[in-house]
Amino acid sequence: AQTVTQSQPEMSVQEAETVTLSCTYDTSESDYYLFWYKQPPSRQMILVIRQEAYKQQNATENRFSVNFQKAAKSFSLKISDSQLGDAAMYFCAYRSAINDMRFGAGTRLTVKP
Amino acid sequence: EPEVTQTPSHQVTQMGQEVILRCVPISNHLYFYWYRQILGQKVEFLVSFYNNEISEKSEIFDDQFSVERPDGSNFTLKIRSTKLEDSAMYFCASSEVSQPANEKLFFGSGTQLSVL
Repeated sequence: AQTVTQSQPEMSVQEAETVTLSCTYDTSESDYYLFWYKQPPSRQMILVIRQEAYKQQNATENRFSVNFQKAAKSFSLKISDSQLGDAAMYFCAYRSAINDMRFGAGTRLTVKP
Repeated sequence: EPEVTQTPSHQVTQMGQEVILRCVPISNHLYFYWYRQILGQKVEFLVSFYNNEISEKSEIFDDQFSVERPDGSNFTLKIRSTKLEDSAMYFCASSEVSQPANEKLFFGSGTQLSVL
C-alpha cells in the first residue's frame, strides 16, 4: 500500500521568513503525482502545488516551491516570505493511476508576527 | 470559478439514525470521491465513484455506507445507522475526465457530522 509520511506534526516560522515542510512516501509505482494541500481553520482543502513524478523540474507556485527527490521518495514544500495567512494545516498527498489520493497526517504551521 | 458544493455544512444526528450527506460536483467532472477527517486527524479516503459505480473503496467504507448519484448532478453519501465514531468532517471531491491521475481534486467545504 502507498503511504505518505509527514514527520513534523507542528512547525512555526517568523513572518517573512522561509520554512520547509517535509514529506516522504512509499510506492512501487513509477507514474504518480504528488500534492500539497492547505487546510485553514475553515477546514476547506485548498490545493497549493502539485508535482508530476515524471518531471525532473521542481514545481513552483509564487511563494511555494517543492523539492522533489524521486529516488529518495521525498517531496518537501518550501514557503518563502511567510505570511500570516499561511498559517494552516498542510497535507502532503500521493496519487497514482491505480490508487486514489492518499494523505499524510498533516503538519500544523504557525506563523509568528 | 466552478466549485464543489456540499450540504448541509453541519449535521447533528442521534446514534443509530440514517444520514445522507449531499454534494454537487463540478458539472463536467466524472470522478467523485468522499473523504473524511476525524477532528485532529488525517484526511482518510472513503470511496471513489465513476460511471455510476464504485471504483475503489477503503476498509472504512463498510456495509453501513453507500453512495449514489441519483439525478446526474448530486452525489450522496448515506450512512445507514450512524455510530459515535462516524463523527467527522466529510469532504466530497471531484475530478475531470479520462485520466484521473493527471487531475487535481476539487474539494467541497465539507459537512461536519456530529453523532450524539
